[in-house]
Amino acid sequence: AQSVTQPDIHITVSEGASLELRCNYSYGATPYLFWYVQSPGQGLQLLLKYFSGDTLVQGIKGFEAEFKRSQSSFNLRKPSVHWSDAAEYFCAVGPMEYGNKLVFGAGTILRVKS
Amino acid sequence: DTGVSQDPRHKITKRGQNVTFRCDPISEHNRLYWYRQTLGQGPEFLTYFQNEAQLEKSRLLSDRFSAERPKGSFSTLEIQRTEQGDSAMYLCASSRDIGNTIYFGEGSWLTVV
Repeated sequence: AQSVTQPDIHITVSEGASLELRCNYSYGATPYLFWYVQSPGQGLQLLLKYFSGDTLVQGIKGFEAEFKRSQSSFNLRKPSVHWSDAAEYFCAVGPMEYGNKLVFGAGTILRVKS
Repeated sequence: DTGVSQDPRHKITKRGQNVTFRCDPISEHNRLYWYRQTLGQGPEFLTYFQNEAQLEKSRLLSDRFSAERPKGSFSTLEIQRTEQGDSAMYLCASSRDIGNTIYFGEGSWLTVV
């Protein structure tokens, strides 16, 4: 069965510091991988996605993620965090016939210290 | 694109009542999805439509839940005889065909008291 694990429930970083949010997945075939961000009480916004090709993908708001097949990981990174990045981040995996359904992790809440 | 629109944004209802949520997808998006998100969890897939056809339903979608997309445009999600366990945010999303980005609405919060 498909599953996504985000080991960190909460992460606190200082503004200007680098960020890495972890995501591990379990999937029986080549997955499509996604990172979404959610502000309190709001819907989800897509940050980036990986389908194939270059394993380092760039997204919006200065985020990037690296797909590592050998580690079943798709970690999200940002070199310098801004206070406006405080939100909840979700990693998700989808089937090759992307568009049917996504399986989400439980999320990581990012807090930014000024 | 005007985005995925959901209505109402918040609903408080008494246990046993019926509630209905509406979703208007981005125009020309063929696929429409419903997800449910409870506090502290990621969204969970409920069902999806391609045009007016409901192609898949999760086991989470009990007999009390029904979703429709009568003309392949907007969709409704009805919950009958609500229970406290139904309290959650119900997210609608839409996309063009396979391989395209899924856009989420801002969700409809349901509180069953």
